[in-house]
Amino acid sequence: AQKVTQAQTEISVVEKEDVTLDCVYETRDTTYYLFWYKQPPSGELVFLIRRNSFDEQNEISGRYSWNFQKSTSSFNFTITASQVVDSAVYFCALSENNFNKFYFGSGTKLNVKP
Amino acid sequence: ETGVTQSPTHLIKTRGQQVTLRCSSQSGHNTVSWYQQALGQGPQFIFQYYREEENGRGNFPPRFSGLQFPNYSSELNVNALELDDSALYLCASSSFGQASQETQYFGPGTRLLVL
Repeated sequence: AQKVTQAQTEISVVEKEDVTLDCVYETRDTTYYLFWYKQPPSGELVFLIRRNSFDEQNEISGRYSWNFQKSTSSFNFTITASQVVDSAVYFCALSENNFNKFYFGSGTKLNVKP
Repeated sequence: ETGVTQSPTHLIKTRGQQVTLRCSSQSGHNTVSWYQQALGQGPQFIFQYYREEENGRGNFPPRFSGLQFPNYSSELNVNALELDDSALYLCASSSFGQASQETQYFGPGTRLLVL
């Protein structure tokens, strides 16, 4: 069974539009950790955020915001006023308990057109 | 720049051969994880090493093996290469804490092509 599901394979928006990337996860652990990574065409994964299961505060960082909803097992990522440089593949990931296993979603490719 | 380096950057092998990929972790990190990323897919967790011991493993066969050295650098070895092993292999180093915002930092990857 998929532990992390990113149902949106590819999204295209025009610059300055807002866009939300969905992430749904599955775990039986009460303590777990969620992450978002960005993978630009160069290939290197860039860390964006980590959220602990025991901390349900949503977070905003500049144009980026994250909505963590334990009730629906979702950890969605919104980019406000998107820019061409935001074009990349974005991955959501889950780690259970002791960080000794990680599960990545299949990724959402975001195309931001000028 | 994450401080995590991998070598080589690219590699071509033939089916049945063996390959060794190398990773140098970021200074201060004692944990290294390896991932396989096939084209168009998300990274798949292979295994993790913590203080020179295997600490966790994904659904990969025993022909995928690893080592971690006292300086926390690591090797991934793949025996009896198959065509499906063609992928980007990513190494990530970390030093996790439950209450911190620590994460794993990825290297640039080694692209392996098996012919």
